[in-house]
Amino acid sequence: DIVMTQSPVSLPVTPGEPASISCRSSQSLLHGNGYNYLHWYLQKPGRSPQLLIHLGSIRASGVPDRFSGSGSGTDFTLRISRVVAEDVGVYHCMQALQTPYTFGQGTRLEIK
Amino acid sequence: QVQLVQSGAEMKKPGASVQVSCKASGYTFTSHSLHWVRQAPGQRLEWMGAINPGNGNSKYSQKFQDRVTFTRDTSANTVFMELRSLRSEDTAVYFCTNPLSFGGNAFDYWGQGTQVTVSS
Repeated sequence: DIVMTQSPVSLPVTPGEPASISCRSSQSLLHGNGYNYLHWYLQKPGRSPQLLIHLGSIRASGVPDRFSGSGSGTDFTLRISRVVAEDVGVYHCMQALQTPYTFGQGTRLEIK
Repeated sequence: QVQLVQSGAEMKKPGASVQVSCKASGYTFTSHSLHWVRQAPGQRLEWMGAINPGNGNSKYSQKFQDRVTFTRDTSANTVFMELRSLRSEDTAVYFCTNPLSFGGNAFDYWGQGTQVTVSS
């Protein structure tokens, strides 16, 4: 199975400041079609996960442009340019290149 | 609009079975796979497998292969997940989800989750 490792586990951020989350995979997530099968989700407290970024860097519909994804192969980053209160929750990366699809352990973003 | 609506919370004893349903609406049910993901307390999200509602074929994570079965009722646009031989470690929130709109098997719609508690 592909192992996904996120860091940090906990991320306290002052509103208006940037934030960055790392996600590493034990194998390359680069598909033969040139896309990385790496997706980012935000799970707000008490809610189901919601898709933020797919294929490594493409924002899902309705996702604010303060969110961006980058990386390729085994090394990926989710960035928030300026954190706001509604960004609180747990961020998960997921690989969907091969089954079983696997998730990182999650990064809990909290407001300082 | 697309909706995935799951059945309500369940409390089961160890060794029992549980069935969770997921009713889909707002899209062509038989055209898109439906996946099951669970979240145990303090644990990462865990993919259990997927069903193709069009032909009923399923793919299971090896971890659950021997204990889980996915079925569907196309007349009701509903998928079912049955987990057998429950143990305390199966206490979790179970989600159905599907990759409807985007490439790369990205899950863009999720059910509200079903809490399954296994306790004697």
